[in-house]
Amino acid sequence: AQKITQTQPGMFVQEKEAVTLDCTYDTSDPSYGLFWYKQPSSGEMIFLIYQGSYDQQNATEGRYSLNFQKARKSANLVISASQLGDSAMYFCAMRGAGGTSYGKLTFGQGTILTVHP
Amino acid sequence: EPEVTQTPSHQVTQMGQEVILRCVPISNHLYFYWYRQILGQKVEFLVSFYNNEISEKSEIFDDQFSVERPDGSNFTLKIRSTKLEDSAMYFCASSPLQGGDGYTFGSGTRLTVV
Repeated sequence: AQKITQTQPGMFVQEKEAVTLDCTYDTSDPSYGLFWYKQPSSGEMIFLIYQGSYDQQNATEGRYSLNFQKARKSANLVISASQLGDSAMYFCAMRGAGGTSYGKLTFGQGTILTVHP
Repeated sequence: EPEVTQTPSHQVTQMGQEVILRCVPISNHLYFYWYRQILGQKVEFLVSFYNNEISEKSEIFDDQFSVERPDGSNFTLKIRSTKLEDSAMYFCASSPLQGGDGYTFGSGTRLTVV
């Protein structure tokens, strides 16, 4: 069974500073994918970044980067130069490896990020 | 940029009524999914659909739920006899057949059962 753990229910950051949102996972599959999504108060799920388990380099997308430490089973999201519009709920999720679980995403509990001016 | 479209954005229904939530996945995607998020809680997988059949379903997806792809573009979730506890945000998603990213969610349907 796959499990995603986000241990920070809430995080605060000052505008223009960097922030790290933690995510650890547990799986016995050798191949998997890790996702981060942003959910603003309006409710939609916005894709931020993806990391494949065999990717050699950490994924980056603009101000978002994923600090992937495979041995520690962690996939932390780093947001650089925080903006007020970054205030939202952030979810870490894992995609299954194969067979019938190939497409299913398992989500963590989420972290609410608040950016202060 | 291609997107997954969900309708309606909000729906209020009486307990015991049937509801159909509609989704138009990205056109070249082959896997389709429904997820549920009860207010303030994490997102939960309901069902995945590939090649016109269910490929996996969770324990939440009991006999009152069904999915259908009635034509080449729509993907629907039907709840036959709604209960108060079915009140949630329902997300449709689609992904390409082969791995990697491209896993895209719709903006959700907020279902309220009264």
